[in-house]
Amino acid sequence: QSVLAQPPSASGTPGQRVTISCSGSSSNIGTNSVNWFQQLPGTAPKLLIYSNNQRPSGVPDRVSGSKSGTSASLAISGLQSDDEADYYCVVWDDSLLGYVFGPGTKVTVL
Amino acid sequence: QVHLVESGGGVVQPGTSLRLSCAASGFTFSTYAMHWVRQAPGKGLAWVAHLSHDGIHKYYEDSVKGRFTISRDNSKNTLYLQINSLRGEDTALYFCARGHSIYGSAPNMDVWGRGTTVTVSS
Repeated sequence: QSVLAQPPSASGTPGQRVTISCSGSSSNIGTNSVNWFQQLPGTAPKLLIYSNNQRPSGVPDRVSGSKSGTSASLAISGLQSDDEADYYCVVWDDSLLGYVFGPGTKVTVL
Repeated sequence: QVHLVESGGGVVQPGTSLRLSCAASGFTFSTYAMHWVRQAPGKGLAWVAHLSHDGIHKYYEDSVKGRFTISRDNSKNTLYLQINSLRGEDTALYFCARGHSIYGSAPNMDVWGRGTTVTVSS
């Protein structure tokens, strides 16, 4: 069982907003910053959000991240067909002394 | 251009050893921590190990402690992962990823290689 919880799937129609949650505990999300990644089939992960809510250059502003307490969220607005991918959160865990990835959320554009 | 290229994967028998390499270019390798992350077929991402920029501080996922060793040669801009006593559950695509800079100038895990595949099978 994963230390972090993510919904296995999320979906929306083009133009809609989809939100993905990442739920943890006081030893990980509660005290450390969260990164989010997008992984398209057969490719390496791509950093979408770092330090909870910061976008690397090149990531559009329709992608946003937030954190509150022991949960973090990734939001994608103006959903497009090429947003269909798997999305993962990752955070350092002070108890495990290691990084933990969420199990991933598959986003489908209907 | 910042680049990471993994190599060293292959089809190996259970109980044997393998050393993966990650060649870095386009940035000052010696000032960045590095990670190994793996992905079993059809499964999610799993963090494996982390190494500080100077090779001193090492962290491992619990299930690989004692079998995996992360190391680096800053003179060769290369990260390594020594995997001993290979098991079927080690079958995965192994990625290296760039970690934090000592100058705090880049986000953690911002650059990834394309991965190298390890298949453990008799």
